[in-house]
Amino acid sequence: DTAVSQTPKYLVTQMGNDKSIKCEQNLGHDTMYWYKQDSKKFLKIMFSYNNKELIINETVPNRFSPKSPDKAHLNLHINSLELGDSAVYFCASSHWGLASEGDTQYFGPGTRLTVL
Amino acid sequence: DQQVKQNSPSLSVQEGRISILNCDYTNSMFDYFLWYKKYPAEGPTFLISISSIKDKNEDGRFTVFLNKSAKHLSLHIVPSQPGDSAVYFCAATNFGNEKLTFGTGTRLTIIP
Repeated sequence: DTAVSQTPKYLVTQMGNDKSIKCEQNLGHDTMYWYKQDSKKFLKIMFSYNNKELIINETVPNRFSPKSPDKAHLNLHINSLELGDSAVYFCASSHWGLASEGDTQYFGPGTRLTVL
Repeated sequence: DQQVKQNSPSLSVQEGRISILNCDYTNSMFDYFLWYKKYPAEGPTFLISISSIKDKNEDGRFTVFLNKSAKHLSLHIVPSQPGDSAVYFCAATNFGNEKLTFGTGTRLTIIP
């Protein structure tokens, strides 16, 4: 009955490689997000998709390419991985916009990416 | 520019006492504020929220207070329990906007 799931949970790879992280939500939400939590613990939004359309792109390098095959999935592909990409990446989902009190985003468990 | 700040990286509180976590923001356009709780190796989970038309919202042991003039909010947990030990994130946004701006978190440790 997992609401937002991500795979893999841990990812260790060499610099220069290409990797993907998958995210799925079974909450019936129409909006999905990718967040990055860096070593300083800042949790920052990277992308958001609404109904498979890109809504937010927070000046993320174009080595990062999100792909949303349908409303329930938002995958993150990263090309030419760099040391600075090491972080925990969280997927999240919600109904479109936060329209009333109690509305929130639901987060997945995170993927810890380590680039060597 | 850090628009949401949690200036205390950590806080220790005796079990049964009150835990008070603080959050400051700089963007006066924010009108919706949320608190999330995060355990290790898990994603943040929603705890409680408050809109800018209120100054207090309560849910069981958790109460959030908002002081708009000071651009300050706080989360009160009474009584504190060992299961409350976690990292607490404050987040802010505008209603209708899906972009959350997070603080850096406060690690709360409840001492039995």
